[in-house]
Amino acid sequence: GQNIDQPTEMTATEGAIVQINCTYQTSGFNGLFWYQQHAGEAPTFLSYNVLDGLEEKGRFSSFLSRSKGYSYLLLKELQMKDSASYLCAVTTGGGNKLTFGTGTQLKVEL
Amino acid sequence: DAGVIQSPRHEVTEMGQEVTLRCKPISGHDYLFWYRQTMMRGLELLIYFNNNVPIDDSGMPEDRFSAKMPNASFSTLKIQPSEPRDSAVYFCASSFVAGGPGDTQYFGPGTRLTVL
Repeated sequence: GQNIDQPTEMTATEGAIVQINCTYQTSGFNGLFWYQQHAGEAPTFLSYNVLDGLEEKGRFSSFLSRSKGYSYLLLKELQMKDSASYLCAVTTGGGNKLTFGTGTQLKVEL
Repeated sequence: DAGVIQSPRHEVTEMGQEVTLRCKPISGHDYLFWYRQTMMRGLELLIYFNNNVPIDDSGMPEDRFSAKMPNASFSTLKIQPSEPRDSAVYFCASSFVAGGPGDTQYFGPGTRLTVL
């Protein structure tokens, strides 16, 4: 089966940098996604990693180490609107079935 | 593009009643997914379709749940009879192709179901 672990909650200050970690244990790993979900809304796509290394998209970056079963999402120059749940998800096998972690609730404070 | 469309947005029903949730995927997307989200269990995949054919329904909780996709632009998730423990937000998502960034799934706004 699949096992994906993320911290339940994190708090950070506006303007700071925060790193949200995700570890996974899966068979047939294909790739890893990060989604953002604001309260009462649908998850929205943030990033995708399939190879080892860092993918940067503006204020958000995501890192993957396939050998360690580890990923992180890095958020820079935090804004209040970044307060949301961040979901780590992996795809395995030949299809694009996503298995989600339980999410990390990030609170950005002044 | 209008994105993934779901209806109704909110549904309140009584235990034992039949509930039907509807989804229209993004035009041209080959894959359609049904998820359920609760505080306790997070986001769980119930079933997904490829080209209107059910591929994996291992996440469907029990026989009370059924899903259909009669054509490329419409899918339903039915619960009969409904129970209070079915209360959750149900999301529909669609994606274009398997493999790589094309796996990206786009979610609808969800249906918040409350079973009294």
